[in-house]
Amino acid sequence: DQQVKQNSPSLSVQEGRISILNCDYTNSMFDYFLWYKKYPAEGPTFLISISSIKDKNEDGRFTVFLNKSAKHLSLHIVPSQPGDSAVYFCAATQGGSEKLVFGKGTKLTVNP
Amino acid sequence: EAEVAQSPRYKITEKSQAVAFWCDPISGHATLYWYRQILGQGPELLVQFQDESVVDDSQLPKDRFSAERLKGVDSTLKIQPAELGDSAMYLCASSLQGDQPQHFGDGTRLSIL
Repeated sequence: DQQVKQNSPSLSVQEGRISILNCDYTNSMFDYFLWYKKYPAEGPTFLISISSIKDKNEDGRFTVFLNKSAKHLSLHIVPSQPGDSAVYFCAATQGGSEKLVFGKGTKLTVNP
Repeated sequence: EAEVAQSPRYKITEKSQAVAFWCDPISGHATLYWYRQILGQGPELLVQFQDESVVDDSQLPKDRFSAERLKGVDSTLKIQPAELGDSAMYLCASSLQGDQPQHFGDGTRLSIL
């Protein structure tokens, strides 16, 4: 029973365009969400996070949007760059717990 | 290069053998995690330590897996005996107490023959 779902295994975009990665969750107790980026043969690297008290958080080219009523969050990358090509994991945690629940990941390819 | 150190990077062993992984977290990080990532899946938590104490090992297959963090710094994860289904990436992460985000090492890729 997947509590965090990333339904798109892969996404391909052109350099300079927007990349939108989606994530859905089923556990209404989740109150903190994170995105991690993973390159081959490396561990996941923290990218950006959002608390459930917010609906948007922005950091440079990366913006995360949270829609609590829909139990949906998305990561926007603008503009996309070839170096952004990686697997992106959505993760969630609840109630002060440090336990992260991860989705299966979406492989983003940014074409020059 | 990741600040969380893990070794070895790769391990190939035969089923029924014992295997061990080592992790050295970021200095000052009280919380340490071991995750298992099967190909095509996201990481899944195996065990969480707060200093030298186990906080959560509910997903750790205790009949064959063990983990320790004796001095509250580095940690070892052991599998004995290894099974074919244990082939995966084993990731270690650490964080400041009660805080996110978790910082991951580059993992150990385990292949069981």
